[in-house]
Amino acid sequence: ILNVEQSPQSLHVQEGDSTNFTCSFPSSNFYALHWYRWETAKSPEALFVMTLNGDEKKKGRISATLNTKEGYSYLYIKGSQPEDSATYLCALGIGDKLIFGTGTRLQVFP
Amino acid sequence: SQTIHQWPATLVQPVGSPLSLECTVEGTSNPNLYWYRQAAGRGLQLLFYSIGIDQISSEVPQNLSASRPQDRQFILSSKKLLLSDSGFYLCAWSMRTDTQYFGPGTRLTVL
Repeated sequence: ILNVEQSPQSLHVQEGDSTNFTCSFPSSNFYALHWYRWETAKSPEALFVMTLNGDEKKKGRISATLNTKEGYSYLYIKGSQPEDSATYLCALGIGDKLIFGTGTRLQVFP
Repeated sequence: SQTIHQWPATLVQPVGSPLSLECTVEGTSNPNLYWYRQAAGRGLQLLFYSIGIDQISSEVPQNLSASRPQDRQFILSSKKLLLSDSGFYLCAWSMRTDTQYFGPGTRLTVL
């Protein structure tokens, strides 16, 4: 059974703080790593897809890196804002399927 | 542009009653379709996925079934609900191994 792990489980930060969280996955037979943001009362929204070792993606204040050899990805948020409060999910792409981690729940206080 | 619809948004059902959740996609042809469940305090678990009409793969043994009677319609069913079927159900679509796009979800409470 493939295991995708995320840490920490939850995070509380002050507005303006920068933060990062980790997604760990089995490094063998890697295909793709996805990041999603899931806000309360909304659908999960795709942030990034990364496929190559060393990939870095950026969208505004959010960026992500990928290390397929050691099996981890980092998501960074620079200068967190209250609207960044959400659960951040990573998912390992295996063929047509995604195997999701349990998510990191981020709460940003004004 | 593509849109995905799910209904109902919320549902409260007694134990032992049947279930039918529907998902439809517009603006694309022959998508992959997926059903996920998030149980309380847990992550997103893939229940079923489909690469075409009447082609369904089940990921976990359970009390649920899925059907795809039309290209852009995906239905999740149960003949008799259990308490453990409570959760948040999400439908998603993708073009093969690409990004998945999620519907608004259905919150099911089984009492």
